[in-house]
Amino acid sequence: QVQLVQSGAEVRKPGASVKVSCKASGYTFTSYDINWVRQATGQGLEWMGWMNPNSGNTGYAQKFQGRVTMTRNTSISTAYMELSSLRSEDTAVYYCARFKHAADYWGQGTLVTVSS
Amino acid sequence: SYELTQPPSVSVSPGQTASISCSGDKLGDRHACWYQQKPGQSPMVVIYQDIKRPSGIPERFSGSNSGNTATLTISGTQAMDEADYYCQAWDSSTVVFGGGTRLTVL
Repeated sequence: QVQLVQSGAEVRKPGASVKVSCKASGYTFTSYDINWVRQATGQGLEWMGWMNPNSGNTGYAQKFQGRVTMTRNTSISTAYMELSSLRSEDTAVYYCARFKHAADYWGQGTLVTVSS
Repeated sequence: SYELTQPPSVSVSPGQTASISCSGDKLGDRHACWYQQKPGQSPMVVIYQDIKRPSGIPERFSGSNSGNTATLTISGTQAMDEADYYCQAWDSSTVVFGGGTRLTVL
């Protein structure tokens, strides 16, 4: 069965970076885009960007341009999202999701807390 | 930038029909999806490409999209359908989410 398993919760200080992983299984990793979506507590879903695991091509939401980097390691079917220059407003649950016509499978979410 | 607008909340009695709207400029010219999210859980797609239901999603969930509005309809709403619902569409290669609608079944 298709699964996306994300890395565990992280705590960072303002100005630091965080890298979240998303390990895919149950399907051909390079056949579907991986998107990243975040959700602050009590807030809605916010799209951050996409990555094509086959080509490595990426596209980022304008809001995160220059601060986010999405990469992958196809040998271990894992996607990564790194967010830099963290501020308190980046405290949120970060999700990876497999996208084709919609986000049909989601990771369990990774809580990133930014606090001094 | 492209925006999708949803009502913050919708209430429905058990067994009745709930309709949640999502409005955006010429939204009918794009494909819309709908996600259900229950507290503490990851979102789950319930409608994609305007009207299609993934396997395992009950038939009481249906969608439509025309003009400037996409609509998620839940017929015979059950208590288990109480959740947040988000619409989603694409603007070029950008994914856009609506602000979400809290569906209360009471």
